Amino acid sequence: SQTIHQWPATLVQPVGSPLSLECTVEGTSNPNLYWYRQAAGRGLQLLFYSVGIGQISSEVPQNLSASRPQDRQFILSSKKLLLSDSGFYLCAYDRELNYGYTFGSGTRLTVV
Amino acid sequence: KNEVEQSPQNLTAQEGEFITINCSYSVGISALHWLQQHPGGGIVSLFMLSSGKKKHGRLIATINIQEKHSSLHITASHPRDSAVYICAVNAFPFGNEKLTFGTGTRLTIIP
Repeated sequence: SQTIHQWPATLVQPVGSPLSLECTVEGTSNPNLYWYRQAAGRGLQLLFYSVGIGQISSEVPQNLSASRPQDRQFILSSKKLLLSDSGFYLCAYDRELNYGYTFGSGTRLTVV
Repeated sequence: KNEVEQSPQNLTAQEGEFITINCSYSVGISALHWLQQHPGGGIVSLFMLSSGKKKHGRLIATINIQEKHSSLHITASHPRDSAVYICAVNAFPFGNEKLTFGTGTRLTIIP
């Protein structure tokens, strides 16, 4: 069966520290992968998406970057976190349009 | 004006009531999604629609492409249905690489 794993579930990091959030998918190949952020009281915002290994598209300019070193692995990173990076980060995948999206359980990041 | 609008923003109802959440969009779409976000933040995809109507258990989703409108109905609502329901669309010219989200409807079902 297809599953998506995202970790850690919660993270508290100081301003200026680096960040690495990892997302892996099982049970499917060549998925489209997504990173979303939900700031407190706000809607979901697409940060990055990837249609294949090494292929990353960024939706908004920001302090974050994404990488896809393997087909089913998607990593969200930052070299130096800002207070404004706090939020709820969700990884998601879809195989193709007709199958819809599957979301990870999310990472709640608090930058202090 | 947001491309995807939901109403109401907040909805409180008694257990057993019939619930309707509405979604209107202003762009051409290839698909519309209804998502459920629980208090912990996790999101579950409920429906993906491109036309007509879909039913899953007590949940029914409809879409009218001409009117650019979709509704999510919950029959015999239960406290466990309490969540934020989010409408999202795959808007042209983008494919499935981009979802445009509504701001969500917070549903609270009182026992």
